[in-house]
Formats: sequence, structure tokens, C-alpha cells
Amino acid sequence: KAGVTQTPRYLIKTRGQQVTLSCSPISGHRSVSWYQQTPGQGLQFLFEYFSETQRNKGNFPGRFSGRQFSNSRSEMNVSTLELGDSALYLCASSSERGGRGEQFFGPGTRLTVL
Amino acid sequence: TQLLEQSPQFLSIQEGENLTVYCNSSSVFSSLQWYRQEPGEGPVLLVTVVTGGEVKKLKRLTFQFGDARKDSSLHITAAQPGDTGLYLCAGMRGSNYKLTFGKGTLLTVNP
Repeated sequence: KAGVTQTPRYLIKTRGQQVTLSCSPISGHRSVSWYQQTPGQGLQFLFEYFSETQRNKGNFPGRFSGRQFSNSRSEMNVSTLELGDSALYLCASSSERGGRGEQFFGPGTRLTVL
Repeated sequence: TQLLEQSPQFLSIQEGENLTVYCNSSSVFSSLQWYRQEPGEGPVLLVTVVTGGEVKKLKRLTFQFGDARKDSSLHITAAQPGDTGLYLCAGMRGSNYKLTFGKGTLLTVNP
């Protein structure tokens, strides 16, 4: 099976712009989660989608949003970018078999905000 | 306050040495996972533990889940340079499929 893919791998934006990141989960996985990783805060949960519905949400401002399509592919959007949004954004998919929450991560999108 | 505390934050050892890293919490988890992340890549799942007191082995790596399901440890025997990476623990409470991650232990194994 192909792994989780994320596009683009690298992105440079300026403050005030918006950005859309894309994630294709492992075939058959219906749950997609997004995380922000920074050196200071580590991995922080953004949100999780299952069957096109946001099922869980972390403590991030409304500038961070996402959606999931019927084929389980997901996008996340960050509007009005701030310098502090510079981070590695990771997408993970899960099959949820057994309910153990095991996540399979993509390589991430490295976002730099100037 | 970090829900999952990992220690140590940084660890630099010589090839062949043994080491243990810890993941502690005051909360009970229904499952706990360990991941390893290498630079420029996403975390890769190493193991999942679900039962209090459970011990799992993966070659030279031994994972233990505390009896009360609040803490876990990872022991590496005879570390090799290929073990270098960021080791992350992550816990799931209940069945809400939301993982909480510790900040990780950055391990460097020098040849």
C-alpha cells in the first residue's frame, strides 16, 4: 500500500497570506488528523476528520480550518498567516481497527512564513 | 502543562550503550504509542501498548506500559547509530481517537 502523501513538501509565504495544504491518506483509511510540529511546542493536534466530518478539534484559532472529501483526501487551510505559523504540518491517517488510535504519518509540509 | 512528560529531552550516547527513556502522565490512557521521527520525515509508529503492565519487544527495543496505564518506558539495548532520532510517546484517552503527544526525546548514538 502507498503511504500517506502530502503536498507540497515545502512552502514559503509572507505574513497575511493564506495557504492550503493537501493530504492523501492510505487507501482504505477514513480518519485523517492534522498536527503542527514546532521545536518549542512539539506535536500539537489541530483537528481530525472522519467521513467528511470534523470529529475532534484542538486548541487552535479559527484561522486554521480543514475539510475532508468523499475519497478521504483532506486539506487544511491557514488564513492571515503569522510568523508563528512557521512549522512542520503533519497529516496522519488511521484505519481505526481495534480503536487503538494508531496513526500513519506523511512526510509533512514545511511552512515558512516571512 | 504538558499532559505527557518525556525525559530526558536530549540523550547523547556511544554505540553499544544501553538507555531508557520515560513517558509520564497523571492521566490514564486507553492506549499508548511510541514513534520515532528522523529529520525531514514524519513520525513512524514503533509499538502500541494497551494493557497495564504490558511489555513488548521489537528487536533491541523493549517497551513497557505502567500498571496504572499512566506511564511508559522505552529501553534500547546496545544502541546503534541507526537508532538516532526523536522518540515520541503519544496517548489516547477513552475512544475519541485524539492523540496527545509528548515533546519527545532526541537521541543521538555516536559511532
